[in-house]
Amino acid sequence: GAVVSQHPSRVICKSGTSVKIECRSLDFQATTMFWYRQFPKQSLMLMATSNEGSKATYEQGVEKDKFLINHASLTLSTLTVTSAHPEDSSFYICSALFGGNTIYFGEGSWLTVV
Amino acid sequence: GDSVTQMEGPVTLSEEAFLTINCTYTATGYPSLFWYVQYPGEGLQLLLKATKADDKGSNKGFEATYRKETTSFHLEKGSVQVSDSAVYFCALSKTSYDKVIFGPGTSLSVIP
Repeated sequence: GAVVSQHPSRVICKSGTSVKIECRSLDFQATTMFWYRQFPKQSLMLMATSNEGSKATYEQGVEKDKFLINHASLTLSTLTVTSAHPEDSSFYICSALFGGNTIYFGEGSWLTVV
Repeated sequence: GDSVTQMEGPVTLSEEAFLTINCTYTATGYPSLFWYVQYPGEGLQLLLKATKADDKGSNKGFEATYRKETTSFHLEKGSVQVSDSAVYFCALSKTSYDKVIFGPGTSLSVIP
């Protein structure tokens, strides 16, 4: 079964609203989680590295004020897309570091902004 | 910077055909190499990995060998099935606990 769970798996929101995606590590603590984005027919691109108890490290070109990442506990990281617009529609997927040397990916979340 | 290049699809094969998806990488040192698979409408699954030169990763009939001299990690399967239809991503990570850098993905369609 899945060791990293994302919720929701699919979400539709109206333009201008904010939407939160959760990434949970099941049965293990993850001090580090990663958030990726995949546009249609493209590869996955790292958005940010989330470290428990500290600010996330964003990749170049990713707006930190638009994509808020919170890693408040050892089993949960959240990605909030603020003031979402149709161009933010994408597949968002997280991964969590287990045992210091293994990365597990979540099932991903499909966001559609209408 | 580090990067991954793989053959772009889509690739269409008949069932039981031989599959090769080429992948080459650019990185300093000795990265770990991965193949991930994404079935339609689903998330990512790790298919196989290799962590050092000459290692062979294998799973579900798929194989890939870490070739340091050619900086390659080609994916092969001797006989594909319809259920193998998916997008395959070659990827690397500088360490086992670092971010993963993905190639562009190769879409595979297997027809009966």
